[in-house]
Amino acid sequence: QQQVKQSPQSLIVQKGGISIINCAYENTAFDYFPWYQQFPGKGPALLIAIRPDVSEKKEGRFTISFNKSAKQFSLHIMDSQPGDSATYFCAAAVSGAGSYQLTFGKGTKLSVIP
Amino acid sequence: NAGVMQNPRHLVRRRGQEARLRCSPMKGHSHVYWYRQLPEEGLKFMVYLQKENIIDESGMPKERFSAEFPKEGPSILRIQQVVRGDSAAYFCASSPPPLRNEQYFGPGTRLTVT
Repeated sequence: QQQVKQSPQSLIVQKGGISIINCAYENTAFDYFPWYQQFPGKGPALLIAIRPDVSEKKEGRFTISFNKSAKQFSLHIMDSQPGDSATYFCAAAVSGAGSYQLTFGKGTKLSVIP
Repeated sequence: NAGVMQNPRHLVRRRGQEARLRCSPMKGHSHVYWYRQLPEEGLKFMVYLQKENIIDESGMPKERFSAEFPKEGPSILRIQQVVRGDSAAYFCASSPPPLRNEQYFGPGTRLTVT
């Protein structure tokens, strides 16, 4: 059972455009939703995270939108740059349940073309 | 401030040998998590440890895999009698005590079983 579904699997965006990656979750106990960026051969880097008490969080060119009723959240990358080309993972976790394990989506490979 | 350190970065083992993967958390972090990433897949949780304690091992295969985080020294993920299906990237993450969802990943150990 895949608890976090991520789409699209791959995405090609022109430089300067907006990249949008979507995730949907099933477990209503999830209350922490981070996004990670991973370059080939490297470990995932924490990009931005949100909790369900807010509907949007922005950090620089990166914005998370969160829809609790639809159980969906998305990452928007504004003014996408070739340096943003990487694989992006959404994840979800339950706080205070004793474990804090992250459940990851399968990833989106983003290519930003000049 | 050094990040999460993992070694070795690459490990080649023949079937039946043992693999030992090491992880040193970020300074001030007392929680360690191990994840496994198969090609073209997201990360899968394996185990969560605090110093001298295994908190959650629900993602660990029942046989051949073990983990520890001793009072002194790095956390170790041990795989006995490796098989080809163990070939993967193994990532360690650490988090600071009050923010256990906020996990920072190391560069990973890429295990190849021949």
